[in-house]
Amino acid sequence: EIVMTQSPATLSVSPGDRATLSCRASQTISNSLAWYQQKPGQAPRLLMYDASTRATGVPARFSGSGSGTEFTLTISSLQSEDFAAYFCQQYSIWPPLTFGGGTKVQLK
Amino acid sequence: QLMESGGGLVQPGGSLRLSCAASGFTFSHYWMSWVRQAPGKGLEWVANVRQDGSEKYYADSVKGRFTISRDNAKNSVYLQLNSLRAEDTALYYCARDYSSSRHWFDPWGQGTQVTVSS
Repeated sequence: EIVMTQSPATLSVSPGDRATLSCRASQTISNSLAWYQQKPGQAPRLLMYDASTRATGVPARFSGSGSGTEFTLTISSLQSEDFAAYFCQQYSIWPPLTFGGGTKVQLK
Repeated sequence: QLMESGGGLVQPGGSLRLSCAASGFTFSHYWMSWVRQAPGKGLEWVANVRQDGSEKYYADSVKGRFTISRDNAKNSVYLQLNSLRAEDTALYYCARDYSSSRHWFDPWGQGTQVTVSS
């Protein structure tokens, strides 16, 4: 099973700041990585797939990078609506399909 | 759009059947998954099923207890939960897999709550 590890668990930032979220895979997964955003009381929303391709309707301030075992989601200038939890998920080697434990982006 | 139903409160050892009704896309063209989220925790993939129902995969934590199925005529996917345990308590989401070879999830339903408690 591929274990996905996200860091940090919590990120305290101010509106307008740049936020960098990390996701590490326990073995190489090429670029088979997705990112999701989840706000309280809502279902997850797809942000990114294939590590760096934005899903439909996702603002350009969100960008993804990485391949192999190290991945990054960057929010260039945080808006109030970006305070949420973010999860990475690998789909390279399965079953099982696995998620990281999540990073909560909160107001500083 | 995906709409789950069937959740509820059940005693340990009990059973439930979750349903997910799909609309707005050609259901029979897609793999479908169930993903759960325990209170205050992260996301855990539970199971998925191929377009024609011929392949089914499960997380080890539910293998032998849960069964995924689908009815393409009714645009619905199901999850039968048997031998339920306290640790199965979670919000259960239905989600569409992108494709046969690339299994990310979009869209997701709003979820149905399963609580296992005596």
